[in-house]
Amino acid sequence: SYELTQPPSVSVSPGQTARITCSGDALPKQYAYWYQQKPGQAPVLVIYKDSERPSGIPERFSGSSSGTTVTLTISGVQAEDEADYYCQSADSSGTSVVFGGGTKLTVL
Amino acid sequence: EVQLVESGGGLVQPGGSLRLSCAASGFTFSSYEMNWVRQAPGKGLEWVSYISSSGSTIYYADSVKGRFTISRDNAKNSLYLQMNSLRAEDTAVYYCARGMAAGTDWYFDLWGRGTLVTVSS
Repeated sequence: SYELTQPPSVSVSPGQTARITCSGDALPKQYAYWYQQKPGQAPVLVIYKDSERPSGIPERFSGSSSGTTVTLTISGVQAEDEADYYCQSADSSGTSVVFGGGTKLTVL
Repeated sequence: EVQLVESGGGLVQPGGSLRLSCAASGFTFSSYEMNWVRQAPGKGLEWVSYISSSGSTIYYADSVKGRFTISRDNAKNSLYLQMNSLRAEDTAVYYCARGMAAGTDWYFDLWGRGTLVTVSS
C-alpha cells in the first residue's frame, strides 16, 4: 500500500524557520496537502495543492514540492504553531487517500 | 455557521455494531463530497471512507472494507457510517470531513470535532 513518510519530530526556537518534509513515490504526480492538529482539536487545513494557502491561514505557512518530497515551511515560528502536522495525498488510482504518520513540531 | 457535528459514538463490544451520524449546516451539503477519517488514541490520522455528492461513488480503506458502510441523506444534510463486526483496532475518534476535489484526488477543508468509538469487552 502507498505510504507517505514524515519525520516524527521537528524542534525550532521562536522566530526561526521550521521545515517539515513528506516523501512518497506518487508525489510527483499527485498533489499534497498539509493539516495542523493541536491537542484535543480537529485537524485544520493549512496548505492545499502543494503550495496554496487557504484563507485565514497566516502567510508564514508555505508549501513546496520537489520530486518525491514535499515540504511545509513555517517562517518566523510562533509558540502557537506548536502542533502535530500531517501531510496527505492520494494513491495513483485516485480511489483512496493516505496520510503521513505526522510530525510533532516543538517550539523551544 | 459552517459546521459539521458528529454523534453516535460510544462503547461497544467486539463484534458489535454502531452507527455514526454527521449533521452539516451552513453550506449546501448536497454539493460536496464527504468522508470519514479516524484517529486512534495517540496515533495519526487514517482515512476511512468517501462518498460523492450524489452518493453514487463510494470508496473504503482496506481496513474497513466489507464491515463499514457509508451513506448520506442530502434532504437531511446528514452523513452516516454504519460500522459492523467492530474490532478493538477500530477504537478511535471518528471525524466527519468535507471533501474538495482536486483533479483525481481530494482533500478535507472542513472537519467536525469528532466522536469517540471505543471497542472493548
